[in-house]
Amino acid sequence: DAKTTQPNSMESNEEEPVHLPCNHSTISGTDYIHWYRQLPSQGPEYVIHGLTSNVNNRMASLAIAEDRKSSTLILHRATLRDAAVYYCILSSYNAGNNRKLIWGLGTSLAVNP
Amino acid sequence: DAGVIQSPRHEVTEMGQEVTLRCKPISGHNSLFWYRQTMMRGLELLIYFNNNVPIDDSGMPEDRFSAKMPNASFSTLKIQPSEPRDSAVYFCASSFGWQGVNGYTFGSGTRLTVV
Repeated sequence: DAKTTQPNSMESNEEEPVHLPCNHSTISGTDYIHWYRQLPSQGPEYVIHGLTSNVNNRMASLAIAEDRKSSTLILHRATLRDAAVYYCILSSYNAGNNRKLIWGLGTSLAVNP
Repeated sequence: DAGVIQSPRHEVTEMGQEVTLRCKPISGHNSLFWYRQTMMRGLELLIYFNNNVPIDDSGMPEDRFSAKMPNASFSTLKIQPSEPRDSAVYFCASSFGWQGVNGYTFGSGTRLTVV
């Protein structure tokens, strides 16, 4: 299974942009890149996903490198409510030809007021 | 929509007892997933269903764990007998389409403590 590598923790200031990096050097051509976040005492929350092109939605932007071996989640203006663990995940086909999300330990983002 | 609903939110039980966790997926979603989260191992997929049929249960740790989905609006995860190492937060998630490409919606989880 293709895996991702993220920094354990990052820190940001409120109202500043945040760039959360993710490396996935073993990504295959059919793997989607997903980002979820988990606020304290809550279940993970879907943020964004993409395959090859950059993606934007109301929560964030996803910038995917041309070789797809890395990606960056961009929060344009961090708020205190964005403090969470951010997971970069690949959805890969397993041996049974089923697509599964392979979760890592994520990046814990702290936002300073 | 109320989202994915899990019950109970917290469960404390003694070793050896049977534990049943419940999940109501979002109406219209046809895939349901059970996850377990611990500090050491992070999020682990236990089993998932598509159209009420189990597709992949390779993540179920052992025979003490079983899951059912009798209809589109209800699923259970049962542990019998429970052991202290089963202590974790158990999440249920649902999606439209079992590939999960368009995102899963997670419930708030059940925190299980086995003493």
